[in-house]
Amino acid sequence: KNEVEQSPQNLTAQEGEFITINCSYSVGISALHWLQQHPGGGIVSLFMLSSGKKKHGRLIATINIQEKHSSLHITASHPRDSAVYICAVSNAREYGNKLVFGAGTILRVKS
Amino acid sequence: GAVVSQHPSWVICKSGTSVKIECRSLDFQATTMFWYRQFPKQSLMLMATSNEGSKATYEQGVEKDKFLINHASLTLSTLTVTSAHPEDSSFYICSARGGTSGRYFSYEQYFGPGTRLTVT
Repeated sequence: KNEVEQSPQNLTAQEGEFITINCSYSVGISALHWLQQHPGGGIVSLFMLSSGKKKHGRLIATINIQEKHSSLHITASHPRDSAVYICAVSNAREYGNKLVFGAGTILRVKS
Repeated sequence: GAVVSQHPSWVICKSGTSVKIECRSLDFQATTMFWYRQFPKQSLMLMATSNEGSKATYEQGVEKDKFLINHASLTLSTLTVTSAHPEDSSFYICSARGGTSGRYFSYEQYFGPGTRLTVT
């Protein structure tokens, strides 16, 4: 079993739909990261959170430390949101500086 | 704007030659830089961790003589793929971490845009 599990693996949505991507982890963490990778390959760090909720534009990330679960929500989705969304966790004590990555969720938003 | 840059963004080289990829942190001093490799449709694979002024720590299975990493300053790390072969063709991504100046946080990793290497 992977230490970081994402669901779904693939997601197709219509423009305007509300989207949720889930991430579950099995280890203690210092922080959880949500990353976005566009088809060109470049990676953008969307959020880093260790508790509660963060919002940036149409993106919302939540984390429940007790349940070891995080969600990334996209409101009013748009075709430009099409990308791979990656969840990663860090734990300085367990992994030092390293991130442990989920397999990613491929999102396609159709117009 | 981008806080970590990579150069070149793509490179094609002949088998047997060496290729150097640069990773620069633009707005902060990166005490630690990470080099990742990504195969098509797969997640990032950590190759090595480099701390400024010391030798890089390589992950198991990564040949240190093949992938030379130098982190000579707090804003620059380089990855040199020596005697490249077609199987080294991949997408290489660096990230930088460290510093508490202004809006950059020490636990955050800031990723570069990646370098696509094709070895013919």
